[in-house]
Amino acid sequence: GEEVAQTPKHLVRGEGQKAKLYCAPIKGHSYVFWYQQVLKNEFKFLISFQNENVFDETGMPKERFSAKCLPNSPCSLEIQATKLEDSAVYFCASSQSSANYGYTFGSGTRLTVV
Amino acid sequence: SQQGEEDPQALSIQEGENATMNCSYKTSINNLQWYRQNSGRGLVHLILIRSNEREKHSGRLRVTLDTSKKSSSLLITASRAADTASYFCATRDNFNKFYFGSGTKLNVKP
Repeated sequence: GEEVAQTPKHLVRGEGQKAKLYCAPIKGHSYVFWYQQVLKNEFKFLISFQNENVFDETGMPKERFSAKCLPNSPCSLEIQATKLEDSAVYFCASSQSSANYGYTFGSGTRLTVV
Repeated sequence: SQQGEEDPQALSIQEGENATMNCSYKTSINNLQWYRQNSGRGLVHLILIRSNEREKHSGRLRVTLDTSKKSSSLLITASRAADTASYFCATRDNFNKFYFGSGTKLNVKP
């Protein structure tokens, strides 16, 4: 499709529970990116994939966060043992391989940890 | 932010006026892009300007890029109430890393 589909739109988890977010990138886009947006509006880069390979994971809190992009499946971002500060909107974006293209963003998953 | 700053942080204007937002960045870039985010929604790609371009237009949008000053500006002419949103610049470096500015909140009063 021509849109990046993120599910679910909203997710509420108790502290310590697991959260799993999904992203279906646009067909033909070889790059997938995950960003975290907290209340002050800044976008924090988490991780990027080139096809199913991790391209850059310098933004990932490695202790509890993991992500995958497997062939023929939506990409996923998983947070084990969620903390209150994980509450944010998580955006996925996909892009064509050329650097001359912008990103197409999904509408985000709002995670609330209570 | 991870890459740069935008100013102003907030801008309030009357419908019909022009709005100018500025973005500064830190590293060498391949291109710079502007996005709009309506409250509670995802980002919409507005315009991309490559590092070898100085100015680009798209409808009521005009973007400039000064790589010597590592800065860019977004001008929205004849603003409308529907332009009310947050605007972010984002830079893509030669290693395919992408960085966002901190955003400008634009309020266009009818």
